[in-house]
Amino acid sequence: NAGVMQNPRHLVRRRGQEARLRCSPMKGHSHVYWYRQLPEEGLKFMVYLQKENIIDESGMPKERFSAEFPKEGPSILRIQQVVRGDSAAYFCASSPPGTSGGDTQYFGPGTRLTVL
Amino acid sequence: KQEVTQIPAALSVPEGENLVLNCSFTDSAIYNLQWFRQDPGKGLTSLLLIQSSQREQTSGRLNASLDKSSGRSTLYIAASQPGDSATYLCAVRRGGNKLVFGAGTILRVKS
Repeated sequence: NAGVMQNPRHLVRRRGQEARLRCSPMKGHSHVYWYRQLPEEGLKFMVYLQKENIIDESGMPKERFSAEFPKEGPSILRIQQVVRGDSAAYFCASSPPGTSGGDTQYFGPGTRLTVL
Repeated sequence: KQEVTQIPAALSVPEGENLVLNCSFTDSAIYNLQWFRQDPGKGLTSLLLIQSSQREQTSGRLNASLDKSSGRSTLYIAASQPGDSATYLCAVRRGGNKLVFGAGTILRVKS
């Protein structure tokens, strides 16, 4: 059973370009979470999605950031018109359906975004 | 608003020493608390998960305790090894499935 997959592992963009980060959850998992780790800081929650639904986006910046988890295919975190402050490691995690408070979230290896 | 603090921020110990990492949280209404390990440039590996109804969990040389009423958890590592060198993250889960992380403790075990 493969773990959480993220691609690309490293992404370089120039200011103003778009960044698309992909996350394939573990097999059988239908809950996906995105977290961001800024340099020298801890991980911060961004968004929680289930298939075709955004459940909690309280950690998402109000502008330029969006996330989706379609019925088929990976979850996508999209950052439009990137700025240098978006440079960070973006981690995806997944958990099984029917997740309750007791379940572990399984993390992917992260995508390291560098904005030039 | 839930805040998670980890002390110390960094720790350097000789191989073989037992050590304790500390985690505190401001809101005791949590579902669970989880300890992770993060190696440089890598993702997170879950070490131990303690449910809110539990007091501790053990895995090999690791033991994590939870005191909800005081908002504290400790991760005890016995007989430390150079391979234990990593950043250790504490995270609490309240409602809504999201985890709130501390900034981590950077551990270095010297051989």
